[in-house]
Amino acid sequence: KNEVEQSPQNLTAQEGEFITINCSYSVGISALHWLQQHPGGGIVSLFMLSSGKKKHGRLIATINIQEKHSSLHITASHPRDSAVYICAAVNTGNQFYFGTGTSLTVIP
Amino acid sequence: KAGVTQTPRYLIKTRGQQVTLSCSPISGHRSVSWYQQTPGQGLQFLFEYFSETQRNKGNFPGRFSGRQFSNSRSEMNVSTLELGDSALYLCASSRDSPRNTEAFFGQGTRLTVV
Repeated sequence: KNEVEQSPQNLTAQEGEFITINCSYSVGISALHWLQQHPGGGIVSLFMLSSGKKKHGRLIATINIQEKHSSLHITASHPRDSAVYICAAVNTGNQFYFGTGTSLTVIP
Repeated sequence: KAGVTQTPRYLIKTRGQQVTLSCSPISGHRSVSWYQQTPGQGLQFLFEYFSETQRNKGNFPGRFSGRQFSNSRSEMNVSTLELGDSALYLCASSRDSPRNTEAFFGQGTRLTVV
């Protein structure tokens, strides 16, 4: 069993829809990162969370430490949001545990 | 400010050879982490360096090694390459630690072993 589980694995949405990607983890963590990876491989860090909620533009990330769960929300989705979204939990030893990723396709 | 730079971007090697990959972090960042990404296993943590010291290591064989220099640049070495080592190798830098500061990723080095 993976230490970090993401759902769904694949997601197709119409432009403008509200999207939620979920991440559950079983390890004790110091922080959780949400990453975005476009075709070609480059990874961009979207959020780093240790508690509560963060918002950047149309993206919102939340984390519930007690429930060991985090969500990434995209409001008013756009085709340029099409990418793989990966959650990564970091333990106190700076070791990353990665989810398998959610492949998002937003159709115009 | 310049981002994380990885060189080379692409590399083709033969089984049994060794390879060295380089990662230059963002100026002022002292933590560099390395990751392997394959279609089958996804992203996996290799190791993390901070101020020239390896702070943590993932579950990879001893053929995978690394080091960090005084200017925070890091190298990763894989000896006796196997076909299964074909992957995208990514590094990320953080100012202090990825558990309390944001991680910035390089574009990766795509290694093909033939």
